[in-house]
Amino acid sequence: ELKVEQNPLFLSMQEGKNYTIYCNYSTTSDRLYWYRQDPGKSLESLFVLLSNGAVKQEGRLMASLDTKARLSTLHITAAVHDLSATYFCAVVPRKPGATNKLIFGTGTLLAVQP
Amino acid sequence: EAGVAQSPRYKIIEKRQSVAFWCNPISGHATLYWYQQILGQGPKLLIQFQNNGVVDDSQLPKDRFSAERLKGVDSTLKIQPAKLEDSAVYLCASSLEPWTGVKAFFGQGTRLTVV
Repeated sequence: ELKVEQNPLFLSMQEGKNYTIYCNYSTTSDRLYWYRQDPGKSLESLFVLLSNGAVKQEGRLMASLDTKARLSTLHITAAVHDLSATYFCAVVPRKPGATNKLIFGTGTLLAVQP
Repeated sequence: EAGVAQSPRYKIIEKRQSVAFWCNPISGHATLYWYQQILGQGPKLLIQFQNNGVVDDSQLPKDRFSAERLKGVDSTLKIQPAKLEDSAVYLCASSLEPWTGVKAFFGQGTRLTVV
């Protein structure tokens, strides 16, 4: 059974600090997505990572993908309160002949304290 | 560009009642998904349509859930009869292609409470 696990599940951090969220998955994949979800809101796409070694950055967030280790990271630099949200990684398993479906991780609730 | 529209936003029903949700995807998007998100968890795929055909419904509880996408555009998801454990947010998403790296867009969701 495919598993997509994130850690930590909950992260409380101070403004200005750096931290990393980890996403591990248990099947072969070369497509990984990061989403942000604010309370009561829908999912907003942040990054699409399509190959081993891919790195994408936007503002204070940087995502990377290591397909050999089946690991993606979301690094937060100098956190600000506006980054408080739940962050999900999601994986498309690489399975010949199968439909492409997105499997979500458990989510990381990030709370940035002033 | 208009986003994915869902209605209603909220619904409260008693167990054993039936309920239906509606989704209007972004114009031109061939792929449509319904996800169930239980509080505190990541979304779980229920069903995937490509145009008006079902390509994956392996996690849809078919004894009580049904979905259709007439004419390859709008879609409805129905639950009959509802159980307490169906309380969740039901998210609709659409994309031009099924997860080939093209961004998928999610609707605001319908929050269902079964009492």
